[in-house]
Amino acid sequence: DSGVTQTPKHLITATGQRVTLRCSPRSGDLSVYWYQQSLDQGLQFLIQYYNGEERAKGNILERFSAQQFPDLHSELNLSSLELGDSALYFCASSFRHNTEAFFGQGTRLTVV
Amino acid sequence: GENVEQHPSTLSVQEGDSAVIKCTYSDSASNYFPWYKQELGKRPQLIIDIRSNVGEKKDQRIAVTLNKTAKHFSLHITETQPEDSAVYFCAASRGRNAGNMLTFGGGTRLMVKP
Repeated sequence: DSGVTQTPKHLITATGQRVTLRCSPRSGDLSVYWYQQSLDQGLQFLIQYYNGEERAKGNILERFSAQQFPDLHSELNLSSLELGDSALYFCASSFRHNTEAFFGQGTRLTVV
Repeated sequence: GENVEQHPSTLSVQEGDSAVIKCTYSDSASNYFPWYKQELGKRPQLIIDIRSNVGEKKDQRIAVTLNKTAKHFSLHITETQPEDSAVYFCAASRGRNAGNMLTFGGGTRLMVKP
């Protein structure tokens, strides 16, 4: 167990819908990262938050947004879902910059 | 931005043999290089990492080497075992200059045949 908790583990929804994925980082970690992993694909960086503020942005679609709350948990919001958004979404956390990032178990999103 | 290339994409070895996975990166400012192992349907797990002030690091059967001049780093697994079968990802980070954003390679599927 990495100490990073993601909910839900599985999510099935229809095209056009909106979902929220939640991540609780390891105790004491200030950074939260979101990654997308499509079937047989690598890990694509979406966005990072550090102590409540957006720190870095990757190839995140405009339909996607995220935030980090004062208690440091983070939510990734995906809207106007398309079939191609089906993927594993991982959250990772680290204490600070340039330190080990630990991944949660992921949320498997299926858009039908 | 940073670009990380990883080779090979698949690697099959006999149990007991060694396996080597290589990555190259483009951004000379990158200074942190972790390796992750991901078993089917599971989360990536950090197995070893190296920083730019070190040329080599070893942990039991796993070692990582870094050549900053050539901008490449490699993962070496010796005495491979069937449980080493997984997808391995390398990554590079510029550290605080980029919020510790990890750029991952495309992954290597390692198959260890008993």
